[in-house]
Amino acid sequence: DQQVKQNSPSLSVQEGRISILNCDYTNSMFDYFLWYKKYPAEGPTFLISISSIKDKNEDGRFTVFLNKSAKHLSLHIVPSQPGDSAVYFCAASEAGANSKLTFGKGITLSVRP
Amino acid sequence: NAGVTQTPKFQVLKTGQSMTLQCAQDMNHEYMSWYRQDPGMGLRLIHYSVGAGITDQGEVPNGYNVSRSTTEDFPLRLLSAAPSQTSVYFCASSFQGATEQYFGPGTRLTVT
Repeated sequence: DQQVKQNSPSLSVQEGRISILNCDYTNSMFDYFLWYKKYPAEGPTFLISISSIKDKNEDGRFTVFLNKSAKHLSLHIVPSQPGDSAVYFCAASEAGANSKLTFGKGITLSVRP
Repeated sequence: NAGVTQTPKFQVLKTGQSMTLQCAQDMNHEYMSWYRQDPGMGLRLIHYSVGAGITDQGEVPNGYNVSRSTTEDFPLRLLSAAPSQTSVYFCASSFQGATEQYFGPGTRLTVT
């Protein structure tokens, strides 16, 4: 049973426009959420995170929104740049110092020049 | 600061062979983990460790062994390789738990 779902496998947007990547989860015990970015032949790199006590976290062009009642989070990238083209993974964890990350399947973002 | 390093980068094994994937970090992180990435499957946790001498199973542990004798190193052993273990393997580390994890560059393993 997939606890973190990224239902759209790919997204294509024009350079300069907004990219919105969505993620849904089923485990109500999740209380910390992260986005990772992955280029081909490289390891994932951390992008941004949000705790369940917040509904928004912003870092430069990247903003993550959390809707706990809907068990939904989204990553907004504004403005999108060609260098943002990558696979984006949503991940979630329960509370606790030794908790584990559960990843979604990833979304491939293509930003067209 | 090298971060998280993994060796080898590529490996081809025959069915039944054994090997060890190496992972090391120089950030003094207590938490280390191994994931595999398969097409359309995302990242799945194999084993993890919350400190030297302590390991536990993740989502897909069968066919893999780990040990953590030092804070820096967390090797992953394939006891008898099977074609189903063809994958890209990532090691990751963090200060604690499932906070921001730092990933290594990966090992691409093919089992024929």
